Amino acid sequence: KNQVEQSPQSLIILEGKNCTLQCNYTVSPFSNLRWYKQDTGRGPVSLTIMTFSENTKSNGRYTATLDADTKQSSLHITASQLSDSASYICVVTGLTTSGTYKYIFGTGTRLKVLA
Amino acid sequence: DAMVIQNPRYQVTQFGKPVTLSCSQTLNHNVMYWYQQKSSQAPKLLFHYYDKDFNNEADTPDNFQSRRPNTSFCFLDIRSPGLGDAAMYLCATSRVVEPTYEQYFGPGTRLTVT
Repeated sequence: KNQVEQSPQSLIILEGKNCTLQCNYTVSPFSNLRWYKQDTGRGPVSLTIMTFSENTKSNGRYTATLDADTKQSSLHITASQLSDSASYICVVTGLTTSGTYKYIFGTGTRLKVLA
Repeated sequence: DAMVIQNPRYQVTQFGKPVTLSCSQTLNHNVMYWYQQKSSQAPKLLFHYYDKDFNNEADTPDNFQSRRPNTSFCFLDIRSPGLGDAAMYLCATSRVVEPTYEQYFGPGTRLTVT
């Protein structure tokens, strides 16, 4: 079954600290993996997108890594800010048996940054 | 400028009373999606339109319908809302249904059923 699991479910850190969020998936065949940031009461906003041949991709203080062999991805946030408080969602795109693409969402990690 | 617009942002309806949520886009994208997101859960795809072609997910209840009168607008109709339909409804667009093309999400409409 195609699944995307994220850990931890929630995380609290102090402003200025770094943190790493995890995403494990069983989606096959795999096409790409996205990380989204979703502020409370808002729609998700894309942070990074990686295909199976990419190991790492950065977007400012956000760095995503991908290991397609172990089917694991991480999102590292450097020097956290209060505005980083949000849910971070991992989304894996896979191919269905009919040859169409399907987005499979993780349940997200809820990050809270404290002053 | 907002690219995917959802109205209203908050909607309250009564149990069993039909309700329509709207989504519009300024991106001229071919594909529009509707997702349901319940508290602390991942968004769940209900259906999507590729141009005028409607694609329903297998487990989307018949209670949920959609209309796309033109490229810019897409509506979600809930014919008889139940308490379990209370959720955030997200509209998204993409140029085509291919993995390298990004999905752009609207801010969502939070539906309350009383």
